[in-house]
Amino acid sequence: LAKTTQPISMDSYEGQEVNITCSHNNIATNDYITWYQQFPSQGPRFIIQGYKTKVTNEVASLFIPADRKSSTLSLPRVSLSDTAVYYCLVGGAGFQKLVFGTGTRLLVSP
Amino acid sequence: DTEVTQTPKHLVMGMTNKKSLKCEQHMGHRAMYWYKQKAKKPPELMFVYSYEKLSINESVPSRFSPECPNSSLLNLHLHALQPEDSALYLCASSQEGTKQSEQFFGPGTRLTVL
Repeated sequence: LAKTTQPISMDSYEGQEVNITCSHNNIATNDYITWYQQFPSQGPRFIIQGYKTKVTNEVASLFIPADRKSSTLSLPRVSLSDTAVYYCLVGGAGFQKLVFGTGTRLLVSP
Repeated sequence: DTEVTQTPKHLVMGMTNKKSLKCEQHMGHRAMYWYKQKAKKPPELMFVYSYEKLSINESVPSRFSPECPNSSLLNLHLHALQPEDSALYLCASSQEGTKQSEQFFGPGTRLTVL
C-alpha cells in the first residue's frame, strides 16, 4: 500500500481557495487517489477521487500531475463549515483496505 | 438510501461486560468494514467482510469478535475489553467496482470502557 504524506495542519480564511497537497511517491499503476473529509465525532466522508490529470465535482477539484507522485485537493472559496480533517488515500480496485495517513487539519477563520 | 446506521451512539461498559455494536446498510453494498479511531488519530482498519465472509482481520485481539449475519448487517461483539479500547468505532460499506470503492461511513459508536 502506498504511503501518503500531507501537511499536519493548514489555516485559511473564509472565501479563500485552499490547496492541500499529498505526496505518494510509491503509487502503483493501478492505484487511484481518493480524498475524505472528517468532522469531529463523525465518520469520514468521500470528497473526490481521481487517477490522472484533473477531476472536478461540485465541492472540490483534484489535480494530479503526469508522474502521479503527488496530488492536490483544491477547495474553492472555503467557509467556516469546511473546518475539518482531510485525508488523502491511494489504493487499487475493489474492496479496499483503506490506510489513513495522519491527515491535514484545516482551520477556516472568519 | 445512502446511509450507514450504527447503534448505539454511545456505550459505557465495564471490563467484565459483554456488549455488541450494530451496523446496517441498505445500499446493496457487498463489503463492510469496522474501524477504530482514537482521539486526534486517523481511523484504523480492524476487519473487512466481503460477500459476508471475513476477508481481512488486522491482527485484532480476540476480545473483539465480528459477525456478518447477512449482506446488510454487521456486528462487533465485545468481551473483556480494556480501558485502552475506549474509542470511536466506525462502520463503513462499499460496493465492488473497477476502481477504488468509495466507502460510506456511519456516525460511529463512542465506546468507553471503565
